[in-house]
Amino acid sequence: EAGVAQSPRYKIIEKRQSVAFWCNPISGHATLYWYQQILGQGPKLLIQFQNNGVVDDSQLPKDRFSAERLKGVDSTLKIQPAKLEDSAVYLCASSTRGGGQGEDTQYFGPGTRLTVL
Amino acid sequence: AQSVSQHNHHVILSEAASLELGCNYSYGGTVNLFWYVQYPGQHLQLLLKYFSGDPLVKGIKGFEAEFIKSKFSFNLRKPSVQWSDTAEYFCAVRMGAGSYQLTFGKGTKLSVIP
Repeated sequence: EAGVAQSPRYKIIEKRQSVAFWCNPISGHATLYWYQQILGQGPKLLIQFQNNGVVDDSQLPKDRFSAERLKGVDSTLKIQPAKLEDSAVYLCASSTRGGGQGEDTQYFGPGTRLTVL
Repeated sequence: AQSVSQHNHHVILSEAASLELGCNYSYGGTVNLFWYVQYPGQHLQLLLKYFSGDPLVKGIKGFEAEFIKSKFSFNLRKPSVQWSDTAEYFCAVRMGAGSYQLTFGKGTKLSVIP
């Protein structure tokens, strides 16, 4: 079974530029998550999709971050404009159901390491 | 605020030593508990998980964890570590019966010396 795919793996941009990340979840997984992992910390949830609807985006900095999941499969996360403090690894995860519904487990992709100069 | 604490930032052990990594959470209700591992250059992988039932959970590669509800803890153990266990270990907790959000600890880096 193929895992969660993400691209690019690495991205270096200057502050105030824009950047986009792509995620393809495990086939059949209804729920998709984007996390931000800053160096030395654990992943922090940014946004959760159930199929193509947003379940929770309370921790997404909406003035600069946006995400979409068209057709309930692939997803993109965009930052515009980027700030220095956005330097982090952006992780995508997927699960079959989405928590609160029995034994639901999140599976993670390799992440995109973003450096903002 | 609900939080997950991993008290050890970096643990250094010799091969064959026993391992115990601490994880505590601050929530009094129903929880689902996870340990993830990140080997150098690789992505986060599920090591083991607890949803209900036997509080002693066995995972992959000889790891186990024990859920102690009264102590709000879910410590990870392995009786004899190998050099290949060198990695960063993250405890994650889903707090609440209807919750979906995972809260992660800051991680513990394990270095095993041959």
